[in-house]
Amino acid sequence: AQSVAQPEDQVNVAEGNPLTVKCTYSVSGNPYLFWYVQYPNRGLQFLLKYITGDNLVKGSYGFEAEFNKSQTSFHLKKPSALVSDSALYFCAVRAPGSGNTGKLIFGQGTTLQVKP
Amino acid sequence: NAGVTQTPKFQVLKTGQSMTLQCAQDMNHEYMSWYRQDPGMGLRLIHYSVGAGITDQGEVPNGYNVSRSTTEDFPLRLLSAAPSQTSVYFCASRTQGATNEKLFFGSGTQLSVL
Repeated sequence: AQSVAQPEDQVNVAEGNPLTVKCTYSVSGNPYLFWYVQYPNRGLQFLLKYITGDNLVKGSYGFEAEFNKSQTSFHLKKPSALVSDSALYFCAVRAPGSGNTGKLIFGQGTTLQVKP
Repeated sequence: NAGVTQTPKFQVLKTGQSMTLQCAQDMNHEYMSWYRQDPGMGLRLIHYSVGAGITDQGEVPNGYNVSRSTTEDFPLRLLSAAPSQTSVYFCASRTQGATNEKLFFGSGTQLSVL
């Protein structure tokens, strides 16, 4: 069965420090991987995706993520955190061949808290 | 710049009542979907549609109905609300095609069933 795990409920980091939000996945074949961010009382916003190609993917707001097939991971990173990055982050996976369903399997979410 | 619009933003129902959550998008997206968000469980797919007149079940469809009479609208109906349906509901849309996977989400409907 396909699944996504975000092992940390919350990540705390000081402003200006690098941040990492972890994600591991389990899916047959080559996955499509995504990160979304949710600010308070808002819908989710797309950050970045990995479909194929370069393992390092760059996205919105200075975020990037590294696809590691051997470790089945897709960790979200940013070199220098901002207080405004504080939000709820979701990793998601879609299995190839899922066709028109477009069904994304979401992780449970990780709250990122950036302190001044 | 409307994107995906959901109404209402908040709703309180009594057990057994029915209601419809509205979702409209102005981006001419073929694909539309409904998710529910529960603490510690991420988002789970309820129903989806790949075009007008075509709908299908997602991961947690029980207790919910949908229809897609136009490209723009994708309402979600609760026929007989239950406390287990207390959740935050999100509508999302995107264009079809394997290369375009970016979902656009509405701002959500917070539903409480007493």
